[in-house]
Amino acid sequence: GENVEQHPSTLSVQEGDSAVIKCTYSDSASNYFPWYKQELGKRPQLIIDIRSNVGEKKDQRIAVTLNKTAKHFSLHITETQPEDSAVYFCAASIGGGSYIPTFGRGTSLIVHP
Amino acid sequence: GAGVSQTPSNKVTEKGKYVELRCDPISGHTALYWYRQSLGQGPEFLIYFQGTGAADDSGLPNDRFFAVRPEGSVSTLKIQRTERGDSAVYLCASSQTNPARGGGYTFGSGTRLTVV
Repeated sequence: GENVEQHPSTLSVQEGDSAVIKCTYSDSASNYFPWYKQELGKRPQLIIDIRSNVGEKKDQRIAVTLNKTAKHFSLHITETQPEDSAVYFCAASIGGGSYIPTFGRGTSLIVHP
Repeated sequence: GAGVSQTPSNKVTEKGKYVELRCDPISGHTALYWYRQSLGQGPEFLIYFQGTGAADDSGLPNDRFFAVRPEGSVSTLKIQRTERGDSAVYLCASSQTNPARGGGYTFGSGTRLTVV
């Protein structure tokens, strides 16, 4: 089955800095890659996603890049704010059937004011 | 409904007891997924429904775990003879048949199960 590795497990930045979280996946058939933000005690919320026919997608301060050849994808957050502090999860799913997402172990992002 | 609803939000049970966790997905979402999340970990897949049928139950850890979705909407996750190791947050998510076409997976707030 699919295996998703996520790094780093913890990321501490100063407000205004950029943050990058990286994930790798094992199954080349994966073609949908969502990213979720989970605040303490709350549900995971979709923040951005990318399909395998696209190399990059941007939404305001958030961007995701995908390298299908290397089987890795990354989340980029620019101009970080304290409210960006949360745990971020990447996921990969194989299309054409169940689309069951396999999640990474999460990155705890801490933005210091 | 407007979102995915899970009940109860918290459940404390004694070791060996039976529990049921309920998930009410977004109206019209045909796909429903159950996940388990332990502290500091990512969601771990348990079972996936497409309509009424369990299309993939490969993530269920053992035969004490079972889930149903009899009418293709509400789903119930059932755990028999609970063990302390079952303690976790159980998350439910729903999506369109193809989540990549829009909306991704929408999660409920989860049920925090504690087995004492």
